[in-house]
Amino acid sequence: GDSVTQMEGPVTLSEEAFLTINCTYTATGYPSLFWYVQYPGEGLQLLLKATKADDKGSNKGFEATYRKETTSFHLEKGSVQVSDSAVYFCALSKDYGGSQGNLIFGKGTKLSVKP
Amino acid sequence: SQTIHQWPATLVQPVGSPLSLECTVEGTSNPNLYWYRQAAGRGLQLLFYSVGIGQISSEVPQNLSASRPQDRQFILSSKKLLLSDSGFYLCAWSPTINYGYTFGSGTRLTVV
Repeated sequence: GDSVTQMEGPVTLSEEAFLTINCTYTATGYPSLFWYVQYPGEGLQLLLKATKADDKGSNKGFEATYRKETTSFHLEKGSVQVSDSAVYFCALSKDYGGSQGNLIFGKGTKLSVKP
Repeated sequence: SQTIHQWPATLVQPVGSPLSLECTVEGTSNPNLYWYRQAAGRGLQLLFYSVGIGQISSEVPQNLSASRPQDRQFILSSKKLLLSDSGFYLCAWSPTINYGYTFGSGTRLTVV
C-alpha cells in the first residue's frame, strides 16, 4: 500500500545550521506531497506542499522539491532557529478510487535546535 | 476565514467511562472532516473521515465511533474507554482532496 518514510529523529542542530529531513514515499499514480509542523503542545500546521513532479514548495525559509524519479520530498532549511524546534511530518494525499482521499503521514521527525 | 475548533484541550477519564470529543468548523460549507490519533512514538493514525452529513468512513476497527450530525460538526465517541485509547486526538478539515488539511489544536486524552 501507499506509505511515507521519514528519517528517524530526534535531530539536534545548533542555531544557524543547515537542516535536511529526508522523506520518501511509495504510491501509485501522482500523489500530492506535504510537510506539516507540530509545535510543542499544539496541533499540526501545513508548512508547504507540492502537487506535481518538480514542484518546489516553500514557506518560512523551508523548501522541499517533489522528485518523482527518486520518490522523495526532502525538507531543507539553510539556517535553522531555536523557534524551528518542533516535530515535522511528511505526508501524501491521493484520490482513492473516486472516493475522497486522505493524508498518509510519516511517523514524524523531532527537531531540536540549540542556541 | 475558516477556523476549526476542538475541545476539550485535555481530558482525564477512568477506564470504562464514555467519551465525547467535539470538533466544529466555521467559514466553509461541506468540508471533508477527519479524526486522527497520535499515540506516543507511533505517528498519526487516521481513525475516521467524513465527506458529508451522516457519512462516516472508518479506517481502523476499534473502540471508537464518529458521527457528523451537522455539516460542520464532527464528534468522536466511545461508550467505554480502554487504557489503549489514551493519546492525542486531532480533528482536521479540508475543502477537497490534495489541498492539505487544517488541524485543530488537539485533545490530549489520558485514560486512567
